[in-house]
Amino acid sequence: DGGITQSPKYLFRKEGQNVTLSCEQNLNHDAMYWYRQDPGQGLRLIYYSQIVNDFQKGDIAEGYSVSREKKESFPLTVTSAQKNPTAFYLCASIGTGDGTEAFFGQGTRLTVV
Amino acid sequence: SQQGEEDPQALSIQEGENATMNCSYKTSINNLQWYRQNSGRGLVHLILIRSNEREKHSGRLRVTLDTSKKSSSLLITASRAADTASYFCATGPSGGYNKLIFGAGTRLAVHP
Repeated sequence: DGGITQSPKYLFRKEGQNVTLSCEQNLNHDAMYWYRQDPGQGLRLIYYSQIVNDFQKGDIAEGYSVSREKKESFPLTVTSAQKNPTAFYLCASIGTGDGTEAFFGQGTRLTVV
Repeated sequence: SQQGEEDPQALSIQEGENATMNCSYKTSINNLQWYRQNSGRGLVHLILIRSNEREKHSGRLRVTLDTSKKSSSLLITASRAADTASYFCATGPSGGYNKLIFGAGTRLAVHP
C-alpha cells in the first residue's frame, strides 16, 4: 500500500536534547513538508522540500533542522534551540503538477519532560 | 504567515442539519483545497477546486470559490455525528510550487 509513515507516534524529550522525527513515503512524491500544530490551532509550516538535497524554511523554522538525502525520506530534528517544542508534528507529501492533493502521516506528538 | 482564514472557528449543530464553513485568503491561488482532521490524527483530503472553477460537488460536500472576493465555502449537507472533526482550507499559491498554506480551521461538532 502506498502511503506516508511517521514515527514514532509519541515522543518524549528531556530539555536540552535533540530529537529526530521520521517521515517516509512510498508515493514517489517529489515534495515533502513538515507542519507544527498546537492544541486547537491550525498548521504552521516548518520546512519543505521540493527535490532531493534541497529544502526551504517555512514560517517557523527556528530551532528545527531537516535533511533530504533520499526522495522517500524527510526527517525533522527538533534541536535544543527550540524553546517550546511540545506540539503535534505532521509530515505531508505532494505529487508534481498543478492541483494535487497532500497526503499526511498520522503525526508525532512530542512532549518535553 | 497564514493564507487561509476559516470562520467560524467553531460550529455546533444537530444531526441532519447543514454545516457551512467559510475560508478567506489573501493572494492569488492555483487551487483551494479542503481537508478534514479527526482529533489527534493526520489530515485527509476532501476536495480540490481550481481557480477557474466556481463550484464543485463530492457526495454530501459542496465547495464554492469566489476568486474576486478571495473566499471559498464548504457545505456539508445532512450532517452526521461522524462528521465531527476539524476542517481546514489550504491554498496552493500561483507561482509554480505546490506549497500548501493552511488556515486555523473550523471545529465542527455534530450532535446526535
